[in-house]
Amino acid sequence: GENVEQHPSTLSVQEGDSAVIKCTYSDSASNYFPWYKQELGKRPQLIIDIRSNVGEKKDQRIAVTLNKTAKHFSLHITETQPEDSAVYFCAALRSVFKTIFGAGTRLFVKA
Amino acid sequence: ETGVTQTPRHLVMGMTNKKSLKCEQHLGHNAMYWYKQSAKKPLELMFVYSLEERVENNSVPSRFSPECPNSSHLFLHLHTLQPEDSALYLCASSPQGNEQFFGPGTRLTVL
Repeated sequence: GENVEQHPSTLSVQEGDSAVIKCTYSDSASNYFPWYKQELGKRPQLIIDIRSNVGEKKDQRIAVTLNKTAKHFSLHITETQPEDSAVYFCAALRSVFKTIFGAGTRLFVKA
Repeated sequence: ETGVTQTPRHLVMGMTNKKSLKCEQHLGHNAMYWYKQSAKKPLELMFVYSLEERVENNSVPSRFSPECPNSSHLFLHLHTLQPEDSALYLCASSPQGNEQFFGPGTRLTVL
């Protein structure tokens, strides 16, 4: 069946460095790719998303890139801060009601 | 608060008990979801309702039974659960199946 692979599972960076998380999806019909951040003990919240007709999207320190040919997309966080420490989930949607999530990346930002 | 609430926040039950989880949203969304979140595993989509009709059921065991009486409320009825069903159960809603707004979750422990 369809799946989304996410790497790495754990990422540790120094404050101020950049962090990159990558996801690969299998369903070529996927057309919407959100990224969620889940802080410890809290609910997942959308931080950025991208649609299949766009190659890159940026929002302040966060950017997402999409390569539809290779079926992968990435989250880039620049100038990381301790409050960026959380679990990040990517997801791929084929239809309005079918969402497949990656396994998550636990990001640690060391001060 | 994102406008999606869940009760109870914590639940401990025996394998022979029957309990229900409740989710409520007043965001005017027309789709609602149940997810299971276990440690170190991807978010697992259990059920999706659109306009109060179930449109997706990912082969969830029959000991989980969803109910959507109206567009603002979603229930998950539990009976004869197993210890491996212990997890965080997240409810989400969505306006058009894109960005999902999550509730705080119910932490379920099955003894």
